[in-house]
Amino acid sequence: EAGVAQSPRYKIIEKRQSVAFWCNPISGHATLYWYQQILGQGPKLLIQFQNNGVVDDSQLPKDRFSAERLKGVDSTLKIQPAKLEDSAVYLCASSLGHREDNTDTQYFGPGTRLTVL
Amino acid sequence: AQSVTQPDIHITVSEGASLELRCNYSYGATPYLFWYVQSPGQGLQLLLKYFSGDTLVQGIKGFEAEFKRSQSSFNLRKPSVHWSDAAEYFCAVGAFSGGYNKLIFGAGTRLAVHP
Repeated sequence: EAGVAQSPRYKIIEKRQSVAFWCNPISGHATLYWYQQILGQGPKLLIQFQNNGVVDDSQLPKDRFSAERLKGVDSTLKIQPAKLEDSAVYLCASSLGHREDNTDTQYFGPGTRLTVL
Repeated sequence: AQSVTQPDIHITVSEGASLELRCNYSYGATPYLFWYVQSPGQGLQLLLKYFSGDTLVQGIKGFEAEFKRSQSSFNLRKPSVHWSDAAEYFCAVGAFSGGYNKLIFGAGTRLAVHP
């Protein structure tokens, strides 16, 4: 079974530029997550989708970050404009997403390492 | 509020030595607990998970973890460490909110292995 795919793996941009990340979840997984992992910290959830609807974006800096999951499969995360503090690894994860199922397990992609200069 | 504490930021062990990584959680209901490993430049790989039943769970790569409700702990162990185990290890608790599952991660423990 193919895992979670992400691209690009690395990205270097200047501050105030825009950037987009792409994620393809495991086939059949209804729930998709975007995490931000700053160096030396654990992953922090930015946004969670159930199919193509947002169920949690409370930690997403909405003035500069946006995400969409058209057709309930692939997802893109965009930052515009980027700030120095956005330098981090952006991880995508997916899970089967059965509601009321506490045993739902998340599987992670390799991440995109973003450096903002 | 739910939280996870990993008290050790860095641990160094010799190859062949035993390993224990500590994890303490705070969660009001029955916790669902996970250990993930992250090798340099890689995403997170699931090592093992605890949902219910036997409090000693076996995972991949020879790892095991023991759930102790009285101590709110879920420590990860391995009897003999290999050089390839050098990585960062994250403990997480599954929180159930608004009908959906979320993971709350600790800050991680970076493991170095000396030959």
